[in-house]
Amino acid sequence: EAQVTQNPRYLITVTGKKLTVTCSQNMNHEYMSWYRQDPGLGLRQIYYSMNVEVTDKGDVPEGYKVSRKEKRNFPLILESPSPNQTSLYFCASSLRGIYGYTFGSGTRLTVV
Amino acid sequence: AQTVTQSQPEMSVQEAETVTLSCTYDTSESNYYLFWYKQPPSRQMILVIRQEAYKQQNATENRFSVNFQKAAKSFSLKISDSQLGDTAMYFCAFMKHAGGTSYGKLTFGQGTILTVHP
Repeated sequence: EAQVTQNPRYLITVTGKKLTVTCSQNMNHEYMSWYRQDPGLGLRQIYYSMNVEVTDKGDVPEGYKVSRKEKRNFPLILESPSPNQTSLYFCASSLRGIYGYTFGSGTRLTVV
Repeated sequence: AQTVTQSQPEMSVQEAETVTLSCTYDTSESNYYLFWYKQPPSRQMILVIRQEAYKQQNATENRFSVNFQKAAKSFSLKISDSQLGDTAMYFCAFMKHAGGTSYGKLTFGQGTILTVHP
């Protein structure tokens, strides 16, 4: 089944403790992206990647890191999480972007 | 920078009736793509419909259709014969058609919560 897989689905952590949210797609898609969803703000892009080793900042990149060492994987790293990073996070992938993106099922992150 | 605005935070409709969700956007680009995504309570993001700006014809997908007004920068979603399963948050999104990095950038509106009542 073609899909984008994110893990974990739920995560509660403490301020300052490094964490990684994994994202993997099995569709050989070129483009991958991370979004955060907050009430009243819709989805805002954190980072995106056009291909292996090619990444760029989105609208809200501060406090996040990404890497694209393999085409299928695009992990999101929070080096020192803070409470304002409490949010619902989505990973998405697309073959060319213009046909729309396929989203993962989301990761609900709470930083206390 | 592009902005997408959904001015209706919440809408409701009776089952079997028709409802229209509004979306406006601001851009200086002439070629772009517009999308509507559905997010049911399961929180999964599902692509509903897609419109290419250089096509005059409005896109349709079964009970879902759009009214694309390029000059007015408006892209509304019409849901006909509403069903209980249409209850969800709906997001409008914009993407430039300029190749390369532009295909990595999808800009979303704030979302509209639609409730379908029996």
